[in-house]
Amino acid sequence: SQTIHQWPATLVQPVGSPLSLECTVEGTSNPNLYWYRQAAGRGLQLLFYSVGIGQISSEVPQNLSASRPQDRQFILSSKKLLLSDSGFYLCAWVWSPNYGYTFGSGTRLTVV
Amino acid sequence: KQEVTQIPAALSVPEGENLVLNCSFTDSAIYNLQWFRQDPGKGLTSLLLIQSSQREQTSGRLNASLDKSSGRSTLYIAASQPGDSATYLCAVMDGNKLVFGAGTILRVKS
Repeated sequence: SQTIHQWPATLVQPVGSPLSLECTVEGTSNPNLYWYRQAAGRGLQLLFYSVGIGQISSEVPQNLSASRPQDRQFILSSKKLLLSDSGFYLCAWVWSPNYGYTFGSGTRLTVV
Repeated sequence: KQEVTQIPAALSVPEGENLVLNCSFTDSAIYNLQWFRQDPGKGLTSLLLIQSSQREQTSGRLNASLDKSSGRSTLYIAASQPGDSATYLCAVMDGNKLVFGAGTILRVKS
């Protein structure tokens, strides 16, 4: 069966520090991978998506970047965090639209 | 640009009531529509997926309908229970992306 893992679950980081969030998918190959952010009291905003290794599409200009070094690994990074980067970050994958999207359990990031 | 709207933003009902959550989208050229549930501080759990060629899907006490031509979907919850309390999110697959509404916060009182 397919599973998606996200870590860490919670993270408190000072302003200006780097960030690395990791997402991995098991039990499938060549999935589309996504990073979403949910800020407090706001809806889900698509940040990045990837249709293959090394292929990254950015939806919103920001302080973040994404990479896909392996087929089932998706990484969200920042060189210097801002207070506005605080939020709930969710990774998702889809193999075929016929089966819908599956989301990870999320990472709660607080920048202090 | 696809926009998804959910009404109402919040809903509080007594246990046992049947209820309807509404979702509308601006561009009818969608591939499918998916309803999710989100508990506080948690990830998203998929409830129902409706393909663009389908009119409705059912799972237990949940029934979701889709009218592409009018850009609307409804999620019907029968005999609501306190455990149904959560945020319900509607999302449409637009190209390679899933576009979300802001959600409906549901509280079922015992």
